[in-house]
Amino acid sequence: GENVEQHPSTLSVQEGDSAVIKCTYSDSASNYFPWYKQELGKGPQLIIDIRSNVGEKKDQRIAVTLNKTAKHFSLHITETQPEDSAVYFCAPEGGKLIFGQGTELSVKP
Amino acid sequence: DGGITQSPKYLFRKEGQNVTLSCEQNLNHDAMYWYRQDPGQGLRLIYYSQIVNDFQKGDIAEGYSVSREKKESFPLTVTSAQKNPTAFYLCASSIAGDYNEQFFGPGTRLTVL
Repeated sequence: GENVEQHPSTLSVQEGDSAVIKCTYSDSASNYFPWYKQELGKGPQLIIDIRSNVGEKKDQRIAVTLNKTAKHFSLHITETQPEDSAVYFCAPEGGKLIFGQGTELSVKP
Repeated sequence: DGGITQSPKYLFRKEGQNVTLSCEQNLNHDAMYWYRQDPGQGLRLIYYSQIVNDFQKGDIAEGYSVSREKKESFPLTVTSAQKNPTAFYLCASSIAGDYNEQFFGPGTRLTVL
């Protein structure tokens, strides 16, 4: 089955800095690459996704890059703010979502 | 307001008792899912349903059961056969087919004493 790994597991940055979270996967059939944000005590929420025919997608301060050959995709957050503090999950899909273990991002004011 | 609701938010049960978690959506989604989340871990799929009156086992279905009698509702029963039921349970829904955004409910935290 699909093996998904996220790195790092925790990330602490100063407000205004950039944050990058990487997700590696094993299933070459994966064609959909979403990132979810989960705030404390809540359900995850989709923040950005990319499909396999696209290498990069941007939405304001958030971007996702995909390297299908190397089987990894990354979440980039620029100009981080305290409200970006949350747990972020990648969930590559090759038929069903398989969630990574999560990255706890802490943005210090 | 369109959305997905789960109740209750916190649930306590004694060991050996079955318990049913509620999940309702008014998004007109065909597909619904149940996940389990343990501290410091990702979400693991318990059961999913692509259409009314049909559902499939996910990766960790043992000790759980579901029903899908209505499009809007997908209740999950945690049975006494589930060896370690204390966890955070998340329900989600999406339009049918692959590669679609899943919308999550707020979750139910189940504690078995």
